Amino acid sequence: DQQVKQNSPSLSVQEGRISILNCDYTNSMFDYFLWYKKYPAEGPTFLISISSIKDKNEDGRFTVFLNKSAKHLSLHIVPSQPGDSAVYFCAASGEGETSGSRLTFGEGTQLTVNP
Amino acid sequence: NAGVTQTPKFRVLKTGQSMTLLCAQDMNHEYMYWYRQDPGMGLRLIHYSVGEGTTAKGEVPDGYNVSRLKKQNFLLGLESAAPSQTSVYFCASSRTRRSQYFGPGTRLTVL
Repeated sequence: DQQVKQNSPSLSVQEGRISILNCDYTNSMFDYFLWYKKYPAEGPTFLISISSIKDKNEDGRFTVFLNKSAKHLSLHIVPSQPGDSAVYFCAASGEGETSGSRLTFGEGTQLTVNP
Repeated sequence: NAGVTQTPKFRVLKTGQSMTLLCAQDMNHEYMYWYRQDPGMGLRLIHYSVGEGTTAKGEVPDGYNVSRLKKQNFLLGLESAAPSQTSVYFCASSRTRRSQYFGPGTRLTVL
């Protein structure tokens, strides 16, 4: 079963507008969430994270929102730039893990920002 | 400071052949991971290690073995490759769960 789900395989936005990427999770033990960005032929790179004790975390143009009751998080990119075009992965980890820093990833969303 | 490196970058195998993928990190991280990425399925954890000399199974361990003889290296082995193991393999390392650092990937094709 997919514990972390990104229901939109792709998203296309105009340069300068807002991009909103969504992620849902089912495991209530998850308490830390991350977003990774991946360009073709490269490994994923860490973008931004949020702990379950917060409902918002901001870093420059990137903001992550967490709604624990809905088990939903979203990544907002404002303003979007063509260089933001990449695959974005949502990931989650749980305090209850005895195995160290295991992450569970979503399927990814391909963001395309058009000039 | 190279971060996480993976060897080789590309490989083509025939069904039944064996190979080893090498991952190396120079950040003194305790935790290391092997993932595979397939279209529409995100990144799935194959095996991981929480320290030198330790390994554990992840989400999709069948058909793979791993070893962590040195803290900086994590090896992924395929004993008898199958077409279903055609994928892009990523290694990662971390000190805490705040973020994992990924290598550039190995693209493996099994014919």
